[in-house]
Amino acid sequence: LAKTTQPISMDSYEGQEVNITCSHNNIATNDYITWYQQFPSQGPRFIIQGYKTKVTNEVASLFIPADRKSSTLSLPRVSLSDTAVYYCLVGDKGRGSTLGRLYFGRGTQLTVWP
Amino acid sequence: KAGVTQTPRYLIKTRGQQVTLSCSPISGHRSVSWYQQTPGQGLQFLFEYFSETQRNKGNFPGRFSGRQFSNSRSEMNVSTLELGDSALYLCASSLEGLANEQFFGPGTRLTVL
Repeated sequence: LAKTTQPISMDSYEGQEVNITCSHNNIATNDYITWYQQFPSQGPRFIIQGYKTKVTNEVASLFIPADRKSSTLSLPRVSLSDTAVYYCLVGDKGRGSTLGRLYFGRGTQLTVWP
Repeated sequence: KAGVTQTPRYLIKTRGQQVTLSCSPISGHRSVSWYQQTPGQGLQFLFEYFSETQRNKGNFPGRFSGRQFSNSRSEMNVSTLELGDSALYLCASSLEGLANEQFFGPGTRLTVL
């Protein structure tokens, strides 16, 4: 069952691009990679999800290399409001009698400075 | 569309007691999952319910249990509370399961004294 490793904290300044990398060496063939954002005293919020290569939406991009053992969340031109904890999540769906589990990483505290 | 709601928002219990937390998913969502969040362990998956059946389970002792009703509302129960059970308990709902986008509620802050 794939678990994840990501940096505990990162600092950036407004207007910069931030890249947060997550390692998931034991990712399985059918696992998907999902990133969530969490502000204090709130539940996490979905950012982006992908299986391979590159996925982009209105708020972020997700880069996944061919071996899928890592992934990088890219936040373009961050602002103060992007200060939050970012979770990398790798999950399988489980089949038959196998119970699927959803593992969150420990999260990366991103702090954006003015 | 209303979001995920959790009740109560705050709860204080003493060791040995039991507690029941409630979660109402977004209308139309059939999957409800529960998570425990603590400063030391981070965000940990407890279990997922779908169509009134537990479909996925994390690594928590049997003191942690749950159920889901026919209207998809879910409850989580913790028996014989320990100090270490103090945490933020989050509920999330999704259309079909863990592979889908999870919509989280605000959480229930449980304090065990």
